[in-house]
Amino acid sequence: GIQVEQSPPDLILQEGANSTLRCNFSDSVNNLQWFHQNPWGQLINLFYIPSGTKQNGRLSATTVATERYSLLYISSSQTTDSGVYFCAVESTGNQFYFGTGTSLTVIP
Amino acid sequence: DTGVSQNPRHKITKRGQNVTFRCDPISEHNRLYWYRQTLGQGPEFLTYFQNEAQLEKSRLLSDRFSAERPKGSFSTLEIQRTEQGDSAMYLCASSLAVIAGGEFFGPGTRLTVL
Repeated sequence: GIQVEQSPPDLILQEGANSTLRCNFSDSVNNLQWFHQNPWGQLINLFYIPSGTKQNGRLSATTVATERYSLLYISSSQTTDSGVYFCAVESTGNQFYFGTGTSLTVIP
Repeated sequence: DTGVSQNPRHKITKRGQNVTFRCDPISEHNRLYWYRQTLGQGPEFLTYFQNEAQLEKSRLLSDRFSAERPKGSFSTLEIQRTEQGDSAMYLCASSLAVIAGGEFFGPGTRLTVL
């Protein structure tokens, strides 16, 4: 299967700070998504972004498919942004391969 | 639309027992996925249905695991003769095939095998 690596594994931010999370993947993909898993375990779909750039409020994401990486930007972080951020990719077969995540803690 | 629901939310069982989990997808969604997540890891794909047809199964899905979606609506995941290594969060997700990137996850069932 496709290998998905995320960095950094852990991140602690002061409220209001900005951050960049990275996802590298080992093969061509048809689908790439970013998810946020909150402290209660619920996975929320943030972006569907197989290529290009998207923005949603304080979050934005960029995928450079030819170079096999994606970036998630969080600006003006808030304590509610805490949790684990996962990158997930799909090539064929309708199954997602998830990375091991970036655990984000935002302190007030 | 109440989202994807899963029951039970927590299950504690003794090794060797059988357990069954249920997933109710969003009503118009024709695709349904099961994933397993262990502590500190990302979710791992187990199986996928389109309507009632099980189209893909992971090698992680041993003979002790079986999943069904008999009428193309809710799905069940059964684990027979549970082992301690089966302890994990079992996640269900659903989507509408024509909408890329529209996967919605349920809250999960946390299984603890003693």
